[in-house]
Amino acid sequence: QQPVQSPQAVILREGEDAVINCSSSKALYSVHWYRQKHGEAPVFLMILLKGGEQKGHEKISASFNEKKQQSSLYLTASQLSYSGTYFCGTHRNSGNTPLVFGKGTRLSVIA
Amino acid sequence: GAGVSQTPSNKVTEKGKYVELRCDPISGHTALYWYRQSLGQGPEFLIYFQGTGAADDSGLPNDRFFAVRPEGSVSTLKIQRTERGDSAVYLCASSPPSGGPNEQFFGPGTRLTVL
Repeated sequence: QQPVQSPQAVILREGEDAVINCSSSKALYSVHWYRQKHGEAPVFLMILLKGGEQKGHEKISASFNEKKQQSSLYLTASQLSYSGTYFCGTHRNSGNTPLVFGKGTRLSVIA
Repeated sequence: GAGVSQTPSNKVTEKGKYVELRCDPISGHTALYWYRQSLGQGPEFLIYFQGTGAADDSGLPNDRFFAVRPEGSVSTLKIQRTERGDSAVYLCASSPPSGGPNEQFFGPGTRLTVL
């Protein structure tokens, strides 16, 4: 049931764009995105809910294709501060229940 | 306001010993989660509390692991007879009451090393 993330790692130069994907073999109710810097706690970025509702930071862009059980996180005009590991976490129901996380995508932004 | 706090930040113990890891959630958050994260992996669910009761403990790997939240606030994760494979970062998260999925606020974690 663990979602699959791709790519596993990506290196960007400042200003470049990237897309991180998350897919599940099971029907999803919501997808959560977190970023974790080395040695720190995961930090919330966004929730995408079945039906189209989104909660999160205005500067973050993401999509959720319910039929394909896929979500994508769009990072545009990347900055050095975007570096870290991005995790998607999934819910299969509407409760405030634990997330099932993917293995993460390591993003490195270089000057 | 204060975020989720966890103590200790680091714990080194010997194989076979007992350890307790503490989590102080954000005040007012009714949901509390324990996850375990190994190097290069995403957080892996262990146990989830809604108030004082464990709503789901299906992620606990075996009966050496136990967690409590007696007053619906602070939680303690207890590991008996520790093994080297228990070494990981143990993360705690909390969420406010809600009718649906909410942001989970993570603590900084406790890095457990079993020698």
